[in-house]
Amino acid sequence: DIQMTQSPSSLSASVGDRVTITCRTSQTIKTYLSWYQQSPGKAPTLLIYFASNLQSGVPARFSGSGSGTDFTLTIASLQPEDFATYYCQQNYSPPYTFGQGTKLEIK
Amino acid sequence: EVQLAESGGGLVQPGGSLRLSCAASGFIVNDYGMNWVRQTPGKGLEWLSYISGRSGTTYYADSVKGRFSVSMDNAKNSLSLEMNSLRDEDTAVYYCARTLKVSVAADSWGQGTLVTVSS
Repeated sequence: DIQMTQSPSSLSASVGDRVTITCRTSQTIKTYLSWYQQSPGKAPTLLIYFASNLQSGVPARFSGSGSGTDFTLTIASLQPEDFATYYCQQNYSPPYTFGQGTKLEIK
Repeated sequence: EVQLAESGGGLVQPGGSLRLSCAASGFIVNDYGMNWVRQTPGKGLEWLSYISGRSGTTYYADSVKGRFSVSMDNAKNSLSLEMNSLRDEDTAVYYCARTLKVSVAADSWGQGTLVTVSS
């Protein structure tokens, strides 16, 4: 099974900051990686697929990069609605494991 | 508009069984892949299973393999998850989610249904 290592597990930032979350996989997954945002009490929503493709309707301040085993999610300028938990997921081979999550909190 | 609605959650004793349903609207389930994902209260997401609407191929996480079974009902345009031999650690909110046509990434999610396994 492919292991996911997401970091940091939590992050404090201010509105307007640029933040980066990383996800590392235990073996190459090419670009078969997606990113999700989850607000408290809500279902996750898809932000990025194939490592860098922005899902329809997602603001352009979100971007993804990486290939192989190392990936990043960047939020260019944090908005109040961005304070949530973020997960990566490998879509390369089953089981389609998620990262442990990164909780983004207001500083 | 794409919508997914889970039902069937509730309280069940350890060793018991439960069947979750996921009603789809705004699209045909048979044209997509579908996932089940769960989340223990206050914890992260755990992928559980996938079914291809076109081929019927299924995959499961090791934690549920042999105990859970996913199926599609084309007539009802719905998805089901049959859960047997339930354990305390199966307590979670269970989500169904539709995948993109080009990836197993999930672009639409239901609101979730809570399953509590307890004596």
